[in-house]
Amino acid sequence: GAVVSQHPSWVICKSGTSVKIECRSLDFQATTMFWYRQFPKQSLMLMATSNEGSKATYEQGVEKDKFLINHASLTLSTLTVTSAHPEDSSFYICSASLLGSGGQDSPFGPGTRLLVL
Amino acid sequence: DAKTTQPTSMDCAEGRAANLPCNHSTISGNEYVYWYRQIHSQGPQYIIHGLKNNETNEMASLIITEDRKSSTLILPHATLRDTAVYYCIVRAHTGANSKLTFGKGITLSVRP
Repeated sequence: GAVVSQHPSWVICKSGTSVKIECRSLDFQATTMFWYRQFPKQSLMLMATSNEGSKATYEQGVEKDKFLINHASLTLSTLTVTSAHPEDSSFYICSASLLGSGGQDSPFGPGTRLLVL
Repeated sequence: DAKTTQPTSMDCAEGRAANLPCNHSTISGNEYVYWYRQIHSQGPQYIIHGLKNNETNEMASLIITEDRKSSTLILPHATLRDTAVYYCIVRAHTGANSKLTFGKGITLSVRP
């Protein structure tokens, strides 16, 4: 089945540093990847939609200059949290739409837990 | 996209069927009903989806009412590993760019 991986699975960083999270579709091509954020005891909140070869579309209230998204290939999208602060500590999850499948099941990655000290 | 409403939580005994309800009274004709679940500290897992006909796969069955205003996800023989948050989501279309909007979901606790 279609598998999405994320790297790293968890990261701890100091306030003010930048952190890059990778989302890969392992055995399929994805023209579109989605980035979500989930705070403790809350639901997933869509941050942005990442399209291969074009600029990402951000949801209202999400700062595009703080959360940089690059989708340079059909199998890789990256999310960079720039100048991270403790309030950015969260569980970041990506999903990918299977090219040609109609996006029926949109597999999700296992998530990346970020802790900013 | 139309919104859904689900109970906050429910529990069931291991080995019994778990019936998870969902209301989506404002669903549009071209919107599908999707179910995902999220086990603690993991990414969501696709379960099943349907438009108007009942659907069944190796994980679950999806029963959609004739007016499509509500649906029920059925786990026929719940196990302890089915303890998770289950999300009922309506999705505008199945194109590659359609996004999933998560609500609060229902927390299913399967007891021994």
